[in-house]
Amino acid sequence: ETGVTQTPRHLVMGMTNKKSLKCEQHLGHNAMYWYKQSAKKPLELMFVYNFKEQTENNSVPSRFSPECPNSSHLFLHLHTLQPEDSALYLCASSPGLAGGHEQFFGPGTRLTVL
Amino acid sequence: GENVEQHPSTLSVQEGDSAVIKCTYSDSASNYFPWYKQELGKGPQLIIDIRSNVGEKKDQRIAVTLNKTAKHFSLHITETQPEDSAVYFCAASDFGNEKLTFGTGTRLTIIP
Repeated sequence: ETGVTQTPRHLVMGMTNKKSLKCEQHLGHNAMYWYKQSAKKPLELMFVYNFKEQTENNSVPSRFSPECPNSSHLFLHLHTLQPEDSALYLCASSPGLAGGHEQFFGPGTRLTVL
Repeated sequence: GENVEQHPSTLSVQEGDSAVIKCTYSDSASNYFPWYKQELGKGPQLIIDIRSNVGEKKDQRIAVTLNKTAKHFSLHITETQPEDSAVYFCAASDFGNEKLTFGTGTRLTIIP
């Protein structure tokens, strides 16, 4: 595997379900990101992790819970979601804290909440 | 915080012609400006970026220009080809900050 991978690629869940999205980067990077991409809106940054520490939570509702066990893996735990949470969830990684570095994106998980 | 505006939202160009997409930003501290291309079913991929110490950068058929005084930057694609059809996003950040603020995207269609 190379680059940034995300599983599953598609997910349909009910509002009472609990599910998790997984992201893995094979680039030796130290920063990882979760973005939400909805139609006709800019990419919305949700969370940033640097060296496994959360450095940004962009006022994300608590029904989204991130986890970063190491610099290569990032999870997004989902529970009691709403239909408006349906979107493409993108994971990205970059070399580290300083910013200004290229962010490498995964292919995304297309989430549908019924 | 930073605000990035991108225009146009859709653009159709005859194959072989040039395409120009423009972005403006609000935070004068921003000094890194990448452009991403997103094809159907894929995540965004960086195609070119520019830092505030240069005014123009070119990579084959793609070029980016930056006007720091006016706080705007543009993507230029020359000799467009069908494979250039995609959604393009501009972004801006302060080099000391890992956050990128994205524009709303431009759907570029190349007409054969």
